[in-house]
Amino acid sequence: AQSVTQPDIHITVSEGASLELRCNYSYGATPYLFWYVQSPGQGLQLLLKYFSGDTLVQGIKGFEAEFKRSQSSFNLRKPSVHWSDAAEYFCAVGAAGGYQKVTFGTGTKLQVIP
Amino acid sequence: DTAVSQTPKYLVTQMGNDKSIKCEQNLGHDTMYWYKQDSKKFLKIMFSYNNKELIINETVPNRFSPKSPDKAHLNLHINSLELGDSAVYFCASSHGDRGGEQYFGPGTRLTVT
Repeated sequence: AQSVTQPDIHITVSEGASLELRCNYSYGATPYLFWYVQSPGQGLQLLLKYFSGDTLVQGIKGFEAEFKRSQSSFNLRKPSVHWSDAAEYFCAVGAAGGYQKVTFGTGTKLQVIP
Repeated sequence: DTAVSQTPKYLVTQMGNDKSIKCEQNLGHDTMYWYKQDSKKFLKIMFSYNNKELIINETVPNRFSPKSPDKAHLNLHINSLELGDSAVYFCASSHGDRGGEQYFGPGTRLTVT
């Protein structure tokens, strides 16, 4: 069965600092990988996705993520965090093709301090 | 021009009541989902429909019954509400087999007293 682990429940960074949110997945075949962001009181918004090809993917709001098959990881990064980035971030894994379910991680809450 | 909309946004009701949540998407997607997010933000898939056909049905009490009148709508009816049903319920949609690329509604916060 597929699974996603986000080891950090809560991360605090200073505005302007760099950010890396960790994600490890377990999946038997080629996965589809995603990062979503949830602002307080809102639904989830897709930040970026990896299906195949270049292992470094760019997303919205200046985020990027790198797929490392050898480490079963898909970490999210941003070079300079803005106060508006404070939110809950979810990593997710799904099957490559077909109407398969997507499994979400438990989320990492990002706090940004001035 | 909201992509995925849900009504109501808030729902407060007493134990034992029956309630419904409605979802509509105008993205032209053919697959829709219901998720439950608990107080710890854990997001769990409940149901998924593709072109009005149920394709994912997780272990959910049969008090929960989804209905898809057409591929743009997916409603969730809950019978005999219990305290443990209190959560935020999200509707989402996606296109074809790009199942992970989902668009979420704003959520419905259900509180059972």
